[in-house]
Amino acid sequence: AQSVAQPEDQVNVAEGNPLTVKCTYSVSGNPYLFWYVQYPNRGLQFLLKYITGDNLVKGSYGFEAEFNKSQTSFHLKKPSALVSDSALYFCAVNYGNMLTFGGGTRLMVKP
Amino acid sequence: NAGVMQNPRHLVRRRGQEARLRCSPMKGHSHVYWYRQLPEEGLKFMVYLQKENIIDESGMPKERFSAEFPKEGPSILRIQQVVRGDSAAYFCASSRGTGLNTEAFFGQGTRLTVV
Repeated sequence: AQSVAQPEDQVNVAEGNPLTVKCTYSVSGNPYLFWYVQYPNRGLQFLLKYITGDNLVKGSYGFEAEFNKSQTSFHLKKPSALVSDSALYFCAVNYGNMLTFGGGTRLMVKP
Repeated sequence: NAGVMQNPRHLVRRRGQEARLRCSPMKGHSHVYWYRQLPEEGLKFMVYLQKENIIDESGMPKERFSAEFPKEGPSILRIQQVVRGDSAAYFCASSRGTGLNTEAFFGQGTRLTVV
């Protein structure tokens, strides 16, 4: 069965510093991986996806993610964090009929 | 092009009542997914529907929960005889197709509170 894991419940980073939110996956076959962001009392917004091709995927709001097949990881990154990036981030894998989500990582960016 | 519309945004029900949650997918999308999010937790898949058909309901509780997506009108998630444990945010997503690289678009959710 497919699954994704987000090992950190919360990530704290200072504004202006680089951020990384970790995600590892387990699927049979080629993975189709996604990152979504959820702001308070809102639905999920799509950030980026990896299907095939370049291992570095660029997405919305300056975010990017690096696909690493050997480590089965798809970490979300941003070179310089903003306070407004503070939100809940979900990694997901698309397999069969559904998106399967990780448990989420809360990102706190402090001024 | 309006996004995925869910209503109501907030719903309060007493134990034993019925809750009806509505989802209108994006224009041109015929695939609808329902997810449940408990406080401070991730999203759990419940059910996947296409027009008039339930494709995958492996995440639906066996009792009290049902979903439909009629030919005309929104998709409905119905919870009968609600209990406190049903309190959660329920999110609907829609997509144009079912390819593995298909992006799903989410509504803002319905927050159900059972008192």
